[in-house]
Amino acid sequence: QQQVKQSPQSLIVQKGGISIINCAYENTAFDYFPWYQQFPGKGPALLIAIRPDVSEKKEGRFTISFNKSAKQFSLHIMDSQPGDSATYFCAAGNQAGTALIFGKGTTLSVSS
Amino acid sequence: DVKVTQSSRYLVKRTGEKVFLECVQDMDHENMFWYRQDPGLGLRLIYFSYDVKMKEKGDIPEGYSVSREKKERFSLILESASTNQTSMYLCASRTANYGYTFGSGTRLTVV
Repeated sequence: QQQVKQSPQSLIVQKGGISIINCAYENTAFDYFPWYQQFPGKGPALLIAIRPDVSEKKEGRFTISFNKSAKQFSLHIMDSQPGDSATYFCAAGNQAGTALIFGKGTTLSVSS
Repeated sequence: DVKVTQSSRYLVKRTGEKVFLECVQDMDHENMFWYRQDPGLGLRLIYFSYDVKMKEKGDIPEGYSVSREKKERFSLILESASTNQTSMYLCASRTANYGYTFGSGTRLTVV
């Protein structure tokens, strides 16, 4: 019940295209769903996060879509750029003080 | 901005050595975490601490211990390093809005 399943493992997108990464969770107690972006040699950095009271959150070219009934959420990167090439992690957690559970990551390459 | 500092970027240690990985945060956060990152396995929780001298085991605590004597410092200890502990180690501190801030990581190689 504690797993977060992330797909795909790797993704290649042309510059200007849309990158989509999907995650699914099992624990209905989760109420916080962040996405982290990690560049080589760096620690992950918070990109965008959503709580289950909304179905979508947009920040610039990055959008989280959230489907509570399906227990799924996804990251959409519009107009993907070579600078977006990185590893992306989804995660889930709750306010009970437990640690975030992370997906296994998606390596995104945006070709120019 | 919250800063999480890990004392070493790269470490090479010998099998059987006792290894200390240090992490310091500058925002008085109660919660701190240690993860290890391996290709294809993502981030796996080793230990976390929700207050000074308090600790909780994560998913893979075997072969590790932690110490939190001061609020800003959370140390990960490999009691007797083994080659299967070669990995990237990431420390994180939790911010007031629930998000994590990660350090830059320590890449540990055990030979």
